[in-house]
Amino acid sequence: AQKVTQAQTEISVVEKEDVTLDCVYETRDTTYYLFWYKQPPSGELVFLIRRNSFDEQNEISGRYSWNFQKSTSSFNFTITASQVVDSAVYFCALSEAYNFNKFYFGSGTKLNVKP
Amino acid sequence: DVKVTQSSRYLVKRTGEKVFLECVQDMDHENMFWYRQDPGLGLRLIYFSYDVKMKEKGDIPEGYSVSREKKERFSLILESASTNQTSMYLCATRAERERTNEQFFGPGTRLTVL
Repeated sequence: AQKVTQAQTEISVVEKEDVTLDCVYETRDTTYYLFWYKQPPSGELVFLIRRNSFDEQNEISGRYSWNFQKSTSSFNFTITASQVVDSAVYFCALSEAYNFNKFYFGSGTKLNVKP
Repeated sequence: DVKVTQSSRYLVKRTGEKVFLECVQDMDHENMFWYRQDPGLGLRLIYFSYDVKMKEKGDIPEGYSVSREKKERFSLILESASTNQTSMYLCATRAERERTNEQFFGPGTRLTVL
């Protein structure tokens, strides 16, 4: 069965700290996509990154980086030197190649960055 | 940029009322989705539509119906609202023709049923 687990319900850090949000997934498909979305207090989910199952290369975008490891079925997200504007709920999601319209979302991790 | 708009940010209705939530997109995307978001449960798919007048049930369709008469508009209908339908409702779209498959979301409608 397909499943995405975000075990961290809520994390609080002080500004400038690094923080890693964990995402573990389950799928029997060999071709799949993983996503991270950010939901700020305004409510709209903002797409951050997509990674397909054949590309295990880690990615860095400014202060954001993602570590995809198929061996542990994990797709973790690290924010370096966190800022107050990073405060949001972050969702990890999985979709499988045979059905792009079906997304499996984790329950989300609420990140609080305090000044 | 994809723009997905929802008719209301906040809505308060009474039990038994018929409720319409509207979603409009301007990017000619074939696929549209309705989710509800509840604390600790993440996003759950209610219905989606892959073409005009076409729809498929998601994980939690009970108590809801949908309508897609035009490509750009996807409506979620609560025939008789109940208090357990108090939630945040999110609309999303996805392009069929592109190789990438991320979904783009609207700002959400926070519905309270009294």
